Amino acid sequence: KAGVTQTPRYLIKTRGQQVTLSCSPISGHRSVSWYQQTPGQGLQFLFEYFSETQRNKGNFPGRFSGRQFSNSRSEMNVSTLELGDSALYLCASSFPGQGLGEQFFGPGTRLTVL
Amino acid sequence: QKEVEQDPGPLSVPEGAIVSLNCTYSNSAFQYFMWYRQYSRKGPELLMYTYSSGNKEDGRFTAQVDKSSKYISLFIRDSQPSDSATYLCAMSASSGNQFYFGTGTSLTVIP
Repeated sequence: KAGVTQTPRYLIKTRGQQVTLSCSPISGHRSVSWYQQTPGQGLQFLFEYFSETQRNKGNFPGRFSGRQFSNSRSEMNVSTLELGDSALYLCASSFPGQGLGEQFFGPGTRLTVL
Repeated sequence: QKEVEQDPGPLSVPEGAIVSLNCTYSNSAFQYFMWYRQYSRKGPELLMYTYSSGNKEDGRFTAQVDKSSKYISLFIRDSQPSDSATYLCAMSASSGNQFYFGTGTSLTVIP
């Protein structure tokens, strides 16, 4: 069974630009969560989508947005990039009905903002 | 104050040692506690999952939760070089999928 895939793996942008990251969950998984990982703050929850609806949202500004498609694939968008947005962005998928915590993470997209 | 505090290390131990990793938290509503292992350039993988207080054992790994002290631990027995990774604790208050993670502890097991 293929794992969670994320594209692209690496991205370099400049301040003020916008970026779109993509996540394909494990087949059959309908919940997709996004996290930002930085050395100082660790993993911080961005949002979770389930059946094309945002179900939970973390404490990030409105520049961070996402969506989920009918095939459960998800995209995350960051507009007006700032230097502090440089991070590893991880997505995780889970199957509804499985115990909490059984999230499967992708390898992440490393975003560098210059 | 952060919701979850974790000593970042780094921690370096000889092969075969017992490793103790810890997290403290401030939100008494947390009920679900998890430990993830993250190798370099990989996403985190779930190691242990416990609900409420108590111990859980899986092979060389033991997870402990003390809700009265708001303290969780992960013990690794007979540590191996392949255990060298960053260990992340995570916790959640509800059945929703919003998790709060520690910053991770970097562990190196020296052969």
